[in-house]
Amino acid sequence: DIVMTQSPDSLAVSLGERATINCRSSQTVLYSSNNKNYLAWYQQKPGQPPKLLIYWASTRESGVPDRFSGSGSGTDFTLTISSLQAEDVAVYYCQQYYTTPTFGPGTKVDIK
Amino acid sequence: QITLKESGPTLVKPTQTLTLTCTFSGFSLRTSEVGVAWIRQPPGKALEWLALIYWDGDTRYSPSLKSRLTITKDTSKNQVVLTMTNMDPVDTATYYCAHRKSGSYFAYWGQGTLVTVSS
Repeated sequence: DIVMTQSPDSLAVSLGERATINCRSSQTVLYSSNNKNYLAWYQQKPGQPPKLLIYWASTRESGVPDRFSGSGSGTDFTLTISSLQAEDVAVYYCQQYYTTPTFGPGTKVDIK
Repeated sequence: QITLKESGPTLVKPTQTLTLTCTFSGFSLRTSEVGVAWIRQPPGKALEWLALIYWDGDTRYSPSLKSRLTITKDTSKNQVVLTMTNMDPVDTATYYCAHRKSGSYFAYWGQGTLVTVSS
């Protein structure tokens, strides 16, 4: 299994400020033959299923606000919320799909 | 419009076998690259991927749970079934099914069904 880790476990950010979440995989999720990183990000609010935000590490899912962006390659990735809104309070998960899928432990985002 | 819905028992006893059904619409499991996965989430904990079945019948399982899981599909009924044997209280979780498109990321999820394992 590829083990996913996330940091921090939780963070509190003021409205309008930037939130940055890190994700690391225990081995590369970059497939050299197509130069794609097999990494996705999800947002989960209480009582709801996860919502796909980003796939291929940096491709925003249709309908996702452009304040959400993904970056990174290989084993280190970042989800950035450029200007935190109240509706962004949630837990965020990264997931690799380079091999049988595994999720990170989640990062809780709150308002400061 | 793609929708998925999980159904099955809400309570099972330890050692019993759990059978969950995912009924979907808006896509076909005959379409190349398409798949349906099962993912679970214990209360207050992280997501755990369990199993995936592809349009061609190929299956993948979580290595740690492989011996207990079986995933099957009924294309004519637009259903995917997951069975998990020898249930234990630690298997108490919300079980989700989700749609896989070209990569094994999941853009569409069911609302989930909470399964409690208790005697």
